[in-house]
Amino acid sequence: SQTIHQWPATLVQPVGSPLSLECTVEGTSNPNLYWYRQAAGRGLQLLFYSVGIGQISSEVPQNLSASRPQDRQFILSSKKLLLSDSGFYLCAWVQSYGYTFGSGTRLTVV
Amino acid sequence: SQQGEEDPQALSIQEGENATMNCSYKTSINNLQWYRQNSGRGLVHLILIRSNEREKHSGRLRVTLDTSKKSSSLLITASRAADTASYFCATDLTGNQFYFGTGTSLTVIP
Repeated sequence: SQTIHQWPATLVQPVGSPLSLECTVEGTSNPNLYWYRQAAGRGLQLLFYSVGIGQISSEVPQNLSASRPQDRQFILSSKKLLLSDSGFYLCAWVQSYGYTFGSGTRLTVV
Repeated sequence: SQQGEEDPQALSIQEGENATMNCSYKTSINNLQWYRQNSGRGLVHLILIRSNEREKHSGRLRVTLDTSKKSSSLLITASRAADTASYFCATDLTGNQFYFGTGTSLTVIP
């Protein structure tokens, strides 16, 4: 079956610390993968998407980066977190009918 | 950038009533999708309507699309307390990227 895994579920990190969020999918090959961020009470902002290994497109300039080291793995990173990086981060992959989302990571930068 | 805008931002109704949410967008689309998000969770795909379709049903959900007005509506009939969630529309321009609105927060009072 096709599933998407995202971890951790919650994360509290100090300002200036690094970040690594991982997303993996199962049951499919060469998926289009996405990272979204959702600020409290707001809609979703597309951060990065990837159509294949090593192919990353960025929607907005920011303190974050993404990598796709393997076909079914998508990683969101930061070298030094800012307070403004706090939010709910969602990984997703697109199927014929639309997105399937991961369960999300709640990141709080303190 | 292209983005759906939901209306109203918040909606509170009694159980058993119908709930209607609207979405407007700016440019031509391939399709439009509606998602549901329970508090603190990932988004769940509800329904997709293509640009050449005008209405679609799925259980208690009814979605309409008016491409001339660049708008869509989501109707939930006979609402239940379990329908309490945020609802988002997402527009597909290219098949690779989806743009989300800011969502409608629905509260169904038992």
